[in-house]
Amino acid sequence: EDKVVQSPLSLVVHEGDTVTLNCSYEVTNFRSLLWYKQEKKAPTFLFMLTSSGIEKKSGRLSSILDKKELFSILNITATQTGDSAVYLCAAVLGGSQGNLIFGKGTKLSVKP
Amino acid sequence: DVKVTQSSRYLVKRTGEKVFLECVQDMDHENMFWYRQDPGLGLRLIYFSYDVKMKEKGDIPEGYSVSREKKERFSLILESASTNQTSMYLCASSGADLSYNEQFFGPGTRLTVL
Repeated sequence: EDKVVQSPLSLVVHEGDTVTLNCSYEVTNFRSLLWYKQEKKAPTFLFMLTSSGIEKKSGRLSSILDKKELFSILNITATQTGDSAVYLCAAVLGGSQGNLIFGKGTKLSVKP
Repeated sequence: DVKVTQSSRYLVKRTGEKVFLECVQDMDHENMFWYRQDPGLGLRLIYFSYDVKMKEKGDIPEGYSVSREKKERFSLILESASTNQTSMYLCASSGADLSYNEQFFGPGTRLTVL
């Protein structure tokens, strides 16, 4: 059975801390991995990772994929209260539909 | 800018009612998806469609049906709403290009079934 597991399920940090969110996957016909940030509305896209070992960066956020060990991490440095959200990762399966398997998400709370 | 819109942000229905949730995308995307999101369960795929009049069951299709008569529009139908269908419903769309699988999400419809 295809599955995506995120850890931790929730995390509380203080502003300025650095956090690492984990996403492991076991899926057939893996194509790529997506990270989303969800606040009180629909998820917004952060990163798409297809190749192993290549870090993607966007400001204070970065992510990397390890296709051998079947996991990805999302790093956030110098966290701010605006980073508080649920972070979702999803494995994209091959095939014409590009179906996604989502993890349950990591709820990040950043305290002032 | 890709836009995915959903017909209602909030909806309250009674048990047994027939419910229609509409989703429209303006990017000529081939693929469209309906998810529901519940606390602690993450996003779960209900149905997806890869072309007009084509549909595939997702992980939790029971109690739902879908309709895709036009490329830009994908409807989710609850034939007889039940309280366990109270949830946030998210529609998404993506292009057919296999090298670019990003899904664009609508704002969501929070459905309450009383």
